[in-house]
Amino acid sequence: LAKTTQPISMDSYEGQEVNITCSHNNIATNDYITWYQQFPSQGPRFIIQGYKTKVTNEVASLFIPADRKSSTLSLPRVSLSDTAVYYCLVGDEDSSASKIIFGSGTRLSIRP
Amino acid sequence: DTAVSQTPKYLVTQMGNDKSIKCEQNLGHDTMYWYKQDSKKFLKIMFSYNNKELIINETVPNRFSPKSPDKAHLNLHINSLELGDSAVYFCASRTTGELFFGEGSRLTVL
Repeated sequence: LAKTTQPISMDSYEGQEVNITCSHNNIATNDYITWYQQFPSQGPRFIIQGYKTKVTNEVASLFIPADRKSSTLSLPRVSLSDTAVYYCLVGDEDSSASKIIFGSGTRLSIRP
Repeated sequence: DTAVSQTPKYLVTQMGNDKSIKCEQNLGHDTMYWYKQDSKKFLKIMFSYNNKELIINETVPNRFSPKSPDKAHLNLHINSLELGDSAVYFCASRTTGELFFGEGSRLTVL
């Protein structure tokens, strides 16, 4: 299973763009990269998933370099409500038997 | 409609007691999971069932016994509760792709 490494915490201000980088040096060919967001007292929620290059949705963008050994979650113009823990995961999303392992996550704090 | 629902949301009990947490998903997913999130906020996978069959058991003490009566339900029974069992327990489901989580069940053992 590919292990992920991400910063323990980050701080930013409202209106800024926030980039959280995740390292996954031993990612496998079949692995996808997925990011989840968790607010206090709630379960994690899916944000975005990608395999290579760039993926964008209404919430975030995910940048994946050609070697796929890292990825960057980009949150445009953050607000106070983006304060949460962000988890980066890698795994075979096509298998229902996949063991989906969460790392320690990045605690993002947004200030006014 | 809640996609993944857990009951109870809060549970306070004494050491040595036996308790159960129930989980139901109405998404038609094949696979359901139990995760434990401790006070340090680490999310650890405990069990996974696929179509009522146990496929992942992460060396959890055998005081924990999951039961899946059908593929929409995965219950967690805990015997002889210990202080270290205090945590938030999350149920989740998926077929492939993203995981859908319940709101969690906060268990406090006194």
